[in-house]
Amino acid sequence: KQEVTQIPAALSVPEGENLVLNCSFTDSAIYNLQWFRQDPGKGLTSLLLIQSSQREQTSGRLNASLDKSSGRSTLYIAASQPGDSATYLCAVTPLVFGKGTRLSVIA
Amino acid sequence: KAGVTQTPRYLIKTRGQQVTLSCSPISGHRSVSWYQQTPGQGLQFLFEYFSETQRNKGNFPGRFSGRQFSNSRSEMNVSTLELGDSALYLCASSFTGVWDEQYFGPGTRLTVT
Repeated sequence: KQEVTQIPAALSVPEGENLVLNCSFTDSAIYNLQWFRQDPGKGLTSLLLIQSSQREQTSGRLNASLDKSSGRSTLYIAASQPGDSATYLCAVTPLVFGKGTRLSVIA
Repeated sequence: KAGVTQTPRYLIKTRGQQVTLSCSPISGHRSVSWYQQTPGQGLQFLFEYFSETQRNKGNFPGRFSGRQFSNSRSEMNVSTLELGDSALYLCASSFTGVWDEQYFGPGTRLTVT
C-alpha cells in the first residue's frame, strides 16, 4: 500500500530564505507526482507536476525534483516571501496524498 | 478558462440528515474525483467518476455515494450524517482520470451538529 510522508509537518523561516520541502513515498511505481499549495480553508492549487519519466520541473521560484528509485521528491522555494505562507502537499498518482508541510514565512 | 466550481461552499447539517454536494469540472474534463479532508486523516480519496461511471472507489462506507451527469457535472451524497463526517469536501477534475494532473475546486465545508 502506497504511503506518502512529508517532513517536517511545519516550518517557519525568515523572508528571503531559500528552503526545501520533502516528500517521500514507499512504492516507486507511480505515474506522476504533483505538488499543491493550500491556503487555510481553501482548495488546492496545483504548483508543479512531474511525470514519472522526468527528474525535475521548474516554475518561477519553484523547482521540484523526483527520484523514483529512492522514493523521494523535493520542492525548492527560492527567496521565500510572506505570500508563500501556506500548506504544501505532495501527491503521487494515483490517489495518495501526504499530510502536508505548513510553511510560515516571517517578514 | 473557468476553474472547478463547488456548491454550496458551506453547509451545516444535523446528525442523521443527508446532504448533496455539487461539483462542476473544468470544461472538457471528463473525470471528477471526490476527496474528504480532515485535520486528523488528511486528504482521503472517496471515488472517481468518468463518463458517468464510477471507475475508482476509496475505502468509505456506503453512506457516501455519487453520480456524474452527461455534462460531466458530479454530485456527492452522504446519507445518515454522523459527527465524524464534518470535513472539507474537495472535488478535482482532469482530462483522463486519477493518473492525470488534478485541478481542485475550492471545497465545501460541511459541519454536522
